[in-house]
Amino acid sequence: DIQMTQSPSSMSVSLGDTVTITCRASQDVGIYVNWFQQKPGKSPRRMIYRATNLADGVPSRFSGSRSGSDYSLTISSLESEDVADYHCLQYDEYPYTFGAGTKLELK
Amino acid sequence: QVQLKESGPGLVQPSQTLSLTCTVSGFSLTSNSVHWVRQPPGKGLEWVGAIWSGGSTDYNSALKSRLSISRDTSKSQVFLKMNSLQTEDTAIYFCTRSSYTTGLGYWGQGVMVTVSS
Repeated sequence: DIQMTQSPSSMSVSLGDTVTITCRASQDVGIYVNWFQQKPGKSPRRMIYRATNLADGVPSRFSGSRSGSDYSLTISSLESEDVADYHCLQYDEYPYTFGAGTKLELK
Repeated sequence: QVQLKESGPGLVQPSQTLSLTCTVSGFSLTSNSVHWVRQPPGKGLEWVGAIWSGGSTDYNSALKSRLSISRDTSKSQVFLKMNSLQTEDTAIYFCTRSSYTTGLGYWGQGVMVTVSS
């Protein structure tokens, strides 16, 4: 199975920060990476598809990038509503696999 | 609009079988795949399995021996059955619609399943 190694597991952040979360794939997954935002008690919300494409309704301060087997989600000028858990997913190959998640917390 | 809703028992006894239903609307099961994802309390997301538009299935390697996913297209329902439940299977179970190009998009609200005697 493909492993998605996500880092960091948690991050203490301030409003206005630029935040970057990374997932490293254990083998080639091409562009088939999702990023999800999840708030307490809610279902995950897709933020990014195909590694770099913004999902409908997602603010432009979110962006996705790829460098080799490393996939990153960047939030520019963090707002309070962005404080949440974030998860990556590879959907190139079955079984699909998620990263372990990143929890953003306000300082 | 696209909607998915999970239903099932909140409490299951250890060693028993879990049966969950995902009822969908706004799209056809013969044109879309539906996946199950679970999340233990306070932990990350785990992909459980999927049923494709053609009816074939794929499963999490670690759960494969205990898991079955099926559907009733006439009722727009997808079913998950998992046997020999253990406390580690306690989780919120979500169903979600997938597209090959865009991944997991629409999600249900999830259903909490507790495995306990």
